[in-house]
Amino acid sequence: GNSVTQMEGPVTLSEEAFLTINCTYTATGYPSLFWYVQYPGEGLQLLLKATKADDKGSNKGFEATYRKETTSFHLEKGSVQVSDSAVYFCALRLQGGSEKLVFGKGTKLTVNP
Amino acid sequence: DVKVTQSSRYLVKRTGEKVFLECVQDMDHENMFWYRQDPGLGLRLIYFSYDVKMKEKGDIPEGYSVSREKKERFSLILESASTNQTSMYLCASSSAGAGVADTQYFGPGTRLTVL
Repeated sequence: GNSVTQMEGPVTLSEEAFLTINCTYTATGYPSLFWYVQYPGEGLQLLLKATKADDKGSNKGFEATYRKETTSFHLEKGSVQVSDSAVYFCALRLQGGSEKLVFGKGTKLTVNP
Repeated sequence: DVKVTQSSRYLVKRTGEKVFLECVQDMDHENMFWYRQDPGLGLRLIYFSYDVKMKEKGDIPEGYSVSREKKERFSLILESASTNQTSMYLCASSSAGAGVADTQYFGPGTRLTVL
């Protein structure tokens, strides 16, 4: 079946540290891939997405590259800020199929000043 | 900006009560979704709807039903609430488009406690 596996948290970093949150997927066909972020007390919002192999999604200093050969979509940021503290979800959607998203379990990030 | 609103941020209900969670979106989206979010389990899809009066079961539909009488409104119904339905409930909507990776827009969530 289709599934998303992301690194378990929580992740705690100091401000300006480098961030990587790993995400790998299993899917039939060629999915589109997403990172969503949930700030404390809020719903999820789209952070970035990529629709085909080798695409790079980027937003707010975050980046992720769709790697078909390793079925991965790792999230990176070169220098995190306290305001990046949130829960991050990796997700996939099958192209041309159902509108449903399949989510990973989420990774909680805490950035300390 | 797309706006998805949910009727309550916090709800406390008693076991056996009938509970209605309401969701409204203002972007004329065809698709609407109900998820529940639990620690360590991530988001799990309960039901979704791709058109008025249409619905499909998600991964965990047991104990829930839904209603979509108007395009902008999608209701989640707990016919007889139980303590294991204590959770955060998130509504989302998206535009339909074959072959297009459309974004889902989420509401702020309703934290339901069943006593």
